[in-house]
Amino acid sequence: EPEVTQTPSHQVTQMGQEVILRCVPISNHLYFYWYRQILGQKVEFLVSFYNNEISEKSEIFDDQFSVERPDGSNFTLKIRSTKLEDSAMYFCATMGQGKKLFFGSGTQLSVL
Amino acid sequence: RKEVEQDPGPFNVPEGATVAFNCTYSNSASQSFFWYRQDCRKEPKLLMSVYSSGNEDGRFTAQLNRASQYISLLIRDSKLSDSATYLCVVTANSGYALNFGKGTSLLVTP
Repeated sequence: EPEVTQTPSHQVTQMGQEVILRCVPISNHLYFYWYRQILGQKVEFLVSFYNNEISEKSEIFDDQFSVERPDGSNFTLKIRSTKLEDSAMYFCATMGQGKKLFFGSGTQLSVL
Repeated sequence: RKEVEQDPGPFNVPEGATVAFNCTYSNSASQSFFWYRQDCRKEPKLLMSVYSSGNEDGRFTAQLNRASQYISLLIRDSKLSDSATYLCVVTANSGYALNFGKGTSLLVTP
């Protein structure tokens, strides 16, 4: 069964550093997403991506965040200058038929 | 008002019990509705879509009341393996972003 894969599974970084989280979406899906979940809180929508551009973004997705699909397979989330409050689990997801979301296993980001 | 609201629980039930979860949503324009399951520190996984006519998948039954903007999930004959957090999920205005409730925690005990 096709799945969304994410790397790395864990990322530790210093405040102010840039991080790039990577995702390989399910190949025939067209909509890609990044969500995050701070420990003990709900899953929060960050951004959706369709046809090589952002289709929608939340208030959380400010200028520190960017997404791209650099090579037609990977889908990346970049945080330019990490803050302590960016510590969270980041999930990549793709949308299949019936608007069903399929999630990767996540990247746990810890900002020190 | 929060976009998707759920009773956080926890619900502690014995094996074999029937348990029901409720969810309300604020966006009357929402068109798609789902229940997801999330195990501790894992990714959410789709449990089932929710249709206006109600739908059943084995021991799980989902109902939607558009007039009241209310969704429910019924689990019959609970198993230990049903222990998880159940997330109510609703489409946002665009129809392609999904908003998640905070989840209802279920613990099924022997």
